[in-house]
Amino acid sequence: SQTIHQWPATLVQPVGSPLSLECTVEGTSNPNLYWYRQAAGRGLQLLFYSVGIGQISSEVPQNLSASRPQDRQFILSSKKLLLSDSGFYLCAWTSSGARTVSRDTQYFGPGTRLTVL
Amino acid sequence: GQQVMQIPQYQHVQEGEDFTTYCNSSTTLSNIQWYKQRPGGHPVFLIQLVKSGEVKKQKRLTFQFGEAKKNSSLHITATQTTDVGTYFCAGLKAGGTSYGKLTFGQGTILTVHP
Repeated sequence: SQTIHQWPATLVQPVGSPLSLECTVEGTSNPNLYWYRQAAGRGLQLLFYSVGIGQISSEVPQNLSASRPQDRQFILSSKKLLLSDSGFYLCAWTSSGARTVSRDTQYFGPGTRLTVL
Repeated sequence: GQQVMQIPQYQHVQEGEDFTTYCNSSTTLSNIQWYKQRPGGHPVFLIQLVKSGEVKKQKRLTFQFGEAKKNSSLHITATQTTDVGTYFCAGLKAGGTSYGKLTFGQGTILTVHP
């Protein structure tokens, strides 16, 4: 079966410090991968998505970046964190296989709670 | 760009009362999905609706997809404390290559008083 991992689970970082969040998927090949941010008590904002190694699309301009160095690894980074970067970061995957009812279903990881002080 | 509006933002009910959340898209959808996020947790997939006018049931939950494939609703009959959480709808835009990108509604936060 497929599983998705994210780490760390929680993170407290000072303003101006760098960031690296990691997401890995097991049990599937060539998934589509997504990074979302969720502000407290609010909806999901899509930040980046990737359909393959080295292929990154940005949805919202910001001081964050994403990379996909391996098929099932997705990394979210920042060189200098801002206070507004605080939030709950969720990684998700979907199947990129043949068109089926379940192909568009997104499976979310447990998330990383980031607090920037 | 595509927008998905969801109402109400909050709903407080007494245990045993019914609950409904509504979702409306600015564009026609290929499909709509519903997710539930428990407090402190991550969104979990509930169901996907694909056909115009489709109705699906999961125990006390009833999901509907509008005839124009632009709106949807989730109805919970006789709520229980285990129903607490945030319910999100998410739409996949019809036509073109979307790479599975969903547009999420803002969610409805449901609290149930015992």
